[in-house]
Amino acid sequence: QVQLKETGPDLVQLTQTLSITCTVSGFSLTTYNVHWVRQPPGKGLEWMGAMWNGGGTDYNSAFKSRLSISRDTSKSQVFLKMNSLQTDDTAKYFCARQFQYWGQGVMVTVSS
Amino acid sequence: DIQMTQSPSSLPASLGDRVTITCRASQDIGNYLRWFQQKPGKSPRLMIYGATNLAAGVPSRFSGSRSGSDYSLTISSLESEDMADYYCLQSKESPFTFGAGTKLELK
Repeated sequence: QVQLKETGPDLVQLTQTLSITCTVSGFSLTTYNVHWVRQPPGKGLEWMGAMWNGGGTDYNSAFKSRLSISRDTSKSQVFLKMNSLQTDDTAKYFCARQFQYWGQGVMVTVSS
Repeated sequence: DIQMTQSPSSLPASLGDRVTITCRASQDIGNYLRWFQQKPGKSPRLMIYGATNLAAGVPSRFSGSRSGSDYSLTISSLESEDMADYYCLQSKESPFTFGAGTKLELK
């Protein structure tokens, strides 16, 4: 069955870099797109970007050049990296297959 | 960026009520509109895709419709398990954008 699971740190220091891995099973990354979405505590959903099945990427310009999405198809993993973290980057980060299947999310706190 | 204006932000309702949540798109998005349900501490659940298509496993009391640039999610007869937050999402154009959300709660 289709599964996605995010793994990453609980806590990241201010101005440091966040790295989260989305490990998928039950489908191929070369067939389906994977999106990253985040949700600050008590707030709404925000689309961050996507890894397209063809290997291209798309980013929300709100993150300017801070955000990078990549993948390793042999390991069925999609990676999110975001640098220069601020306290308002504290959020739950989700990966999702074409918005139909979602991971459980990983809660990341940015601490000073 | 395409703005999705979702209303209301909060919707008190009683069991058995018919309720409607609306998103208005700032530009043409065709039918590239999805609706999600999210319960506390859980991941979003896809309810409607293509503006009007029911996702797999979603009860038939849920429906989606479109009138021009207004997109609606309707629950025909509210059940207790429907109490949740609801979000719309446009995927016509990057950056994809969510509505601000609607909190559906018991009156």
